[in-house]
Amino acid sequence: AQSVAQPEDQVNVAEGNPLTVKCTYSVSGNPYLFWYVQYPNRGLQFLLKYITGDNLVKGSYGFEAEFNKSQTSFHLKKPSALVSDSALYFCAVTPQYSGNTPLVFGKGTRLSVIA
Amino acid sequence: SAVISQKPSRDICQRGTSLTIQCQVDSQVTMMFWYRQQPGQSLTLIATANQGSEATYESGFVIDKFPISRPNLTFSTLTVSNMSPEDSSIYLCSVEMRGGSYNEQFFGPGTRLTVL
Repeated sequence: AQSVAQPEDQVNVAEGNPLTVKCTYSVSGNPYLFWYVQYPNRGLQFLLKYITGDNLVKGSYGFEAEFNKSQTSFHLKKPSALVSDSALYFCAVTPQYSGNTPLVFGKGTRLSVIA
Repeated sequence: SAVISQKPSRDICQRGTSLTIQCQVDSQVTMMFWYRQQPGQSLTLIATANQGSEATYESGFVIDKFPISRPNLTFSTLTVSNMSPEDSSIYLCSVEMRGGSYNEQFFGPGTRLTVL
């Protein structure tokens, strides 16, 4: 069965500094990987995904993530954090095959960007 | 992409009562999923609902507690039965749509349930 680990419950970063939110995964075969963001009292919003191809994936709001197969990681990054980036971030995985398997989510990491 | 709406957006309910949450999608989809997000927790899959068949429940979730209907390809309901405070969560509807080699998953805005 697939699983996702987000080792940090909380990440604090100063505005303008780079941010990293960590994610590692376990899945049979190759993965499809995702990052979602949840703002207070809002639904999940899709940020970016890795399906195939370039290991560095660029997504919404200046975020990017790097797929590292040897380390089974998919860390979320942004070069310069904004206060408005403060939210709850979820990493998710599903195995890469033609069947229909719903996403499995990590526990989430709360990002706090301090002005 | 898919536009998903849920009703109600939030509710406060008394212990022992039941609440039915509706999920409406703006296009026809085969696969629909219901997730629960307990306070401070991640999303946990409750069940998968395909049109024309019984919902498939994940370990720890049963039909008597969370009956699901899927009458057509654009609509589903989840009922939280005989509620207790432990059922206080956000309940999210999700759909899967085919996009080339990958089926992308979209989420509704969620229903925030508080049980007193």
